[in-house]
Amino acid sequence: QKEVEQDPGPLSVPEGAIVSLNCTYSNSAFQYFMWYRQYSRKGPDLLMYTYSSGNKEDGRFTAQVDKSSKYISLFIRDSQPSDSATYLCAMSAVTGGGNKLTFGTGTQLKVEL
Amino acid sequence: SQTIHQWPATLVQPVGSPLSLECTVEGTSNPNLYWYRQAAGRGLQLLFYSVGIGQISSEVPQNLSASRPQDRQFILSSKKLLLSDSGFYLCALEARAGNTIYFGEGSWLTVV
Repeated sequence: QKEVEQDPGPLSVPEGAIVSLNCTYSNSAFQYFMWYRQYSRKGPDLLMYTYSSGNKEDGRFTAQVDKSSKYISLFIRDSQPSDSATYLCAMSAVTGGGNKLTFGTGTQLKVEL
Repeated sequence: SQTIHQWPATLVQPVGSPLSLECTVEGTSNPNLYWYRQAAGRGLQLLFYSVGIGQISSEVPQNLSASRPQDRQFILSSKKLLLSDSGFYLCALEARAGNTIYFGEGSWLTVV
């Protein structure tokens, strides 16, 4: 079993839809949770960063962490064609030498006009 | 703000040839630096990380090596490339003040 599971998609939605992207994980030591957006042939850009459980909102994006269920989500409201990208979840435990992220494989999202 | 420069952006190398990918960062001092590889359809795999000059930790056994000759420079190398070394190589930094990791634009390597 992988430490982080993420549905690869592709996920296709109409413009304006609410998008829900999810990851599950098995390592209970994970405390830091991140979502990255990666456009084709580009490096990932950090979208959201959360620590421990709860919700965090930033504009059209909401990140949700449920540590009891080992489940994290990213919601995108009023989705736009420019949101079409691959979304990667990532997480880490506190370590003494470097913050080593464990990534999901990414969900490909396409927002259609 | 922090900036990560990677080069070359794209390269095609024959099997058995050497490799050198360079990463330099700006806008921060004494960062943690990372090399990740992303193979097609797979997540990012951590290859090396460095918490300071000359300090390298390897995460997976492989045909690659890394060096950090200066605080803001991180180099990924190989003496003899294998076909399986093909992929998208990403340099990343973590500023000392936080736990967030930022990525460069990456280097696409095709070994033929």
